[in-house]
Amino acid sequence: AAGVIQSPRHLIKEKRETATLKCYPIPRHDTVYWYQQGPGQDPQFLISFYEKMQSDKGSIPDRFSAQQFSDYHSELNMSSLELGDSALYFCASSSRWRVDGYTFGSGTRLTVV
Amino acid sequence: ELKVEQNPLFLSMQEGKNYTIYCNYSTTSDRLYWYRQDPGKSLESLFVLLSNGAVKQEGRLMASLDTKARLSTLHITAAVHDLSATYFCAGGYTGNQFYFGTGTSLTVIP
Repeated sequence: AAGVIQSPRHLIKEKRETATLKCYPIPRHDTVYWYQQGPGQDPQFLISFYEKMQSDKGSIPDRFSAQQFSDYHSELNMSSLELGDSALYFCASSSRWRVDGYTFGSGTRLTVV
Repeated sequence: ELKVEQNPLFLSMQEGKNYTIYCNYSTTSDRLYWYRQDPGKSLESLFVLLSNGAVKQEGRLMASLDTKARLSTLHITAAVHDLSATYFCAGGYTGNQFYFGTGTSLTVIP
């Protein structure tokens, strides 16, 4: 079965650089969520999109932005990277009105040096 | 904002033993999830609990939900080493973000 695809799997950037993370949801899923997980921490919600519109916003820094495109894939853009941005970034997708759980992608490990 | 608390945070148990992880949440939530995460890996969905009294079982794991007490439990029966991982519960509302608990790091020792 198709899963949530995230790219790249690993990313190393220097401070103050920019990074773009991509997420391709499961086909027919209309909602995408972005989470950030620091070492030893629980995932923290960043932002979500439903039908290409932002639906919910969490603790996303102003330096980050995201969007969902017409094919439902989503991109998380991160600028002026800081050391503290080093984390696992997960994307999850769901069909808004289905009762099954959200499916997570494999994540992108971002390291800022 | 939904607050989700898990306990214990760390659990070391011997193979063959039983134990329960507890998940309390602060306000109403129309669903409760349990996820498993291995180090550096993604979150694997274990259970979705939708209604009061819901009980689901998969292998040595059984999850239950008491919406009146705002409590979910994950019971481990006859633990084996392969169950070593971090377990998260998460709650939320349909279509909205869901909030994770702090996670329980489980280590099963021979």
